Amino acid sequence: AQTVTQSQPEMSVQEAETVTLSCTYDTSESNYYLFWYKQPPSRQMILVIRQEAYKQQNATENRFSVNFQKAAKSFSLKISDSQLGDTAMYFCAFRGGGADGLTFGKGTHLIIQP
Amino acid sequence: EAQVTQNPRYLITVTGKKLTVTCSQNMNHEYMSWYRQDPGLGLRQIYYSMNVEVTDKGDVPEGYKVSRKEKRNFPLILESPSPNQTSLYFCASSPGQGSFYEQYFGPGTRLTVT
Repeated sequence: AQTVTQSQPEMSVQEAETVTLSCTYDTSESNYYLFWYKQPPSRQMILVIRQEAYKQQNATENRFSVNFQKAAKSFSLKISDSQLGDTAMYFCAFRGGGADGLTFGKGTHLIIQP
Repeated sequence: EAQVTQNPRYLITVTGKKLTVTCSQNMNHEYMSWYRQDPGLGLRQIYYSMNVEVTDKGDVPEGYKVSRKEKRNFPLILESPSPNQTSLYFCASSPGQGSFYEQYFGPGTRLTVT
């Protein structure tokens, strides 16, 4: 079974700063996807970015990028030029090739201060 | 609009009173699943379904039942709810099983069992 660990329960940064959220995972699979989901106060789960394990190039979506280190089983999320609307819970998630669904970390509560 | 819907969005009930939370998707997805979210624990999968009449247990299935009689619907049944089932519940769907497919989440159902 795979596990996902987010070691930062809460982080707080000033608006416009860059922030990095950490995620490590453990799996014996070679083909998998990793995801970052954002959960704002509305509680909706919003996909921020995803990374295919067999791609070495790090995924980027506008201000959001990842640092994927496959050998180290690390998948951090970098948010550049942070905005007040980035305040939310962020969940790292893993999905392997089997029939089961996503395995989530416990989440990081990110607070962007004005 | 492509979406996953859940009803009700909020529910307060008493111990032992059977309830059903409905989930419906209009994207013709084969794969559907239920998660519960608890503070400090992230999201954990309860049950999933790979297609009509095919369901299987996730990580925390105790106290829950599901059925998949139609492709679009995947209700979650609590036959005798208990206070430890107080949680935020999410239904999700994806075009198929496996890591390639993104999961689309419903808006969540906040359940309180007294």
